[in-house]
Amino acid sequence: DTGVSQDPRHKITKRGQNVTFRCDPISEHNRLYWYRQTLGQGPEFLTYFQNEAQLEKSRLLSDRFSAERPKGSFSTLEIQRTEQGDSAMYLCASSLAMGVVGPGANVLTFGAGSRLTVL
Amino acid sequence: KNEVEQSPQNLTAQEGEFITINCSYSVGISALHWLQQHPGGGIVSLFMLSSGKKKHGRLIATINIQEKHSSLHITASHPRDSAVYICAVERVSGGSNYKLTFGKGTLLTVNP
Repeated sequence: DTGVSQDPRHKITKRGQNVTFRCDPISEHNRLYWYRQTLGQGPEFLTYFQNEAQLEKSRLLSDRFSAERPKGSFSTLEIQRTEQGDSAMYLCASSLAMGVVGPGANVLTFGAGSRLTVL
Repeated sequence: KNEVEQSPQNLTAQEGEFITINCSYSVGISALHWLQQHPGGGIVSLFMLSSGKKKHGRLIATINIQEKHSSLHITASHPRDSAVYICAVERVSGGSNYKLTFGKGTLLTVNP
């Protein structure tokens, strides 16, 4: 397994277009996270899946954003009607939660990110 | 005020110097993570700790739960240590749904 893969690495689009990012987590990991990072800031939580269930969504995730993880493996993050403010690095991370989780269950493995530029 | 504050925001050092990066947080946590991000690169987990101290090579991480403070130290710094170092805290959100809250990061530049 080569870690967490994200595709595409870079996407340039015009305002108003739709974009979709894909994340392939480490195969045995049951948790998958999407984060967004803008220049000079730390990553901000967007949403989280345990297996195929989307368990939490940040208020940052407007109704133009949708994420899926249909079979509990790869995930997609779609942004509809992109705006310039959506320009950021979109990071995917995965982890393995075992049983009743305790501290440190969330040791994340991050992908290299998908950089979105909206013109 | 952010829940996780790092200092300094930027740090420039000469090769060989001892580096300290600080992280303070305002919420109750179950664990704290230190991560490293190279320019244009992904994020790598360095440490996860919930008490005391951990050491890996030239990197040392400490945490004081009572004072809500953690430090990351780099001994004998090297230009390849140049990166953004990010502190993140883990707290329970809605039962067992752990997620990380990140600081803004500290940009470290080590000059030869």
